[in-house]
Amino acid sequence: AQSVSQHNHHVILSEAASLELGCNYSYGGTVNLFWYVQYPGQHLQLLLKYFSGDPLVKGIKGFEAEFIKSKFSFNLRKPSVQWSDTAEYFCAVTRTGGFKTIFGAGTRLFVKA
Amino acid sequence: DSGVTQTPKHLITATGQRVTLRCSPRSGDLSVYWYQQSLDQGLQFLIHYYNGEERAKGNILERFSAQQFPDLHSELNLSSLELGDSALYFCASSAPGGGSSGANVLTFGAGSRLTVL
Repeated sequence: AQSVSQHNHHVILSEAASLELGCNYSYGGTVNLFWYVQYPGQHLQLLLKYFSGDPLVKGIKGFEAEFIKSKFSFNLRKPSVQWSDTAEYFCAVTRTGGFKTIFGAGTRLFVKA
Repeated sequence: DSGVTQTPKHLITATGQRVTLRCSPRSGDLSVYWYQQSLDQGLQFLIHYYNGEERAKGNILERFSAQQFPDLHSELNLSSLELGDSALYFCASSAPGGGSSGANVLTFGAGSRLTVL
């Protein structure tokens, strides 16, 4: 069965620090990969996605993620975080052509001003 | 506003009771997904409907059932409620099509918070 592992459950950073959140999935076939974000009091929303092509994808608010197929990884990065990036971040995977999107457990990021 | 509407926003009920959560997908979306988010389980996929038909099932208990109606709204029915069913229930919808057209991109509603006492 598909599964998604997020390495850190809680991350605390100071503003301007660099961010990398790890995500690994377990599925050998072709997948679509996503990062979603849930800001405090808001609904989950798409941050970025990878379907095919360039493995380095850029999303909103300066976030990017790199798909490394050999490592089954899709890590999220941001060079310099802001206080407004405080949120919960979810990695998700869908088998290409499939109907079930599986989410990781989420990483709560707190950015200190 | 994401365009996905969920009602009610909050619901408090007692063990053994039955509740119905409702979801209206974003205009034009044919797929509806239900997820359960609890503190210890994260975001768990429950079930997916496409244009009225069940397409995928996840870790949905037998006490739970769902359907999607001809107008594409969906209802999640939770019965014989237990304390452990207390959670945030999210509905999401996605556009028709495949691959890069966005079929797998989910648009979430604000959720229905269920508290079972």
